[in-house]
Amino acid sequence: NAGVMQNPRHLVRRRGQEARLRCSPMKGHSHVYWYRQLPEEGLKFMVYLQKENIIDESGMPKERFSAEFPKEGPSILRIQQVVRGDSAAYFCASSHNRGENEETQYFGPGTRLLVL
Amino acid sequence: AQRVTQPEKLLSVFKGAPVELKCNYSYSGSPELFWYVQYSRQRLQLLLRHISRESIKGFTADLNKGETSFHLKKPFAQEEDSAMYYCALMGTSYGKLTFGQGTILTVHP
Repeated sequence: NAGVMQNPRHLVRRRGQEARLRCSPMKGHSHVYWYRQLPEEGLKFMVYLQKENIIDESGMPKERFSAEFPKEGPSILRIQQVVRGDSAAYFCASSHNRGENEETQYFGPGTRLLVL
Repeated sequence: AQRVTQPEKLLSVFKGAPVELKCNYSYSGSPELFWYVQYSRQRLQLLLRHISRESIKGFTADLNKGETSFHLKKPFAQEEDSAMYYCALMGTSYGKLTFGQGTILTVHP
């Protein structure tokens, strides 16, 4: 099992462009979580998805950010019209069942987004 | 609102010395607490969780509800323990982990 995969590992965008971050969960996992880590800060929860459903998006900015986890294919975190403040590391995690206390979240290596 | 505070950004100890990484939390209910670790050039991974009450790599952590703390301890630090450590909390919103800012532990030979 290759673990949680994220690509690209590094992404450079100019202000106003779109950024698409992909996350392939571990085999057999149907729950995906996205976290953002700004410089000098801890990871902050963004969104929790199941296949074709958004379960909790309480950490998502109201504008420009969206996430999906289709029936087939990876989960996508999409940032439209990026600004410099979006520069951060974006981590994806997955779990087999919903993130109950006994269910471990396995993290990917992260995508480091730099907005010029 | 839930919050996790790790007061020490950096912590340095010598090999063989005891180490304690502090974690305090704020949450109105009964949280589940975790410690995650990130070694150099590796991804974030779970170290231990309070409900399992186990010792991993010699580390233990006890949930103190009175002091709202979940400090990570190891009696004899090893060089390979050098890493970034994050304390995290899960409340009633399943799946949503709230992380502290992290503590970089350096164990000197």
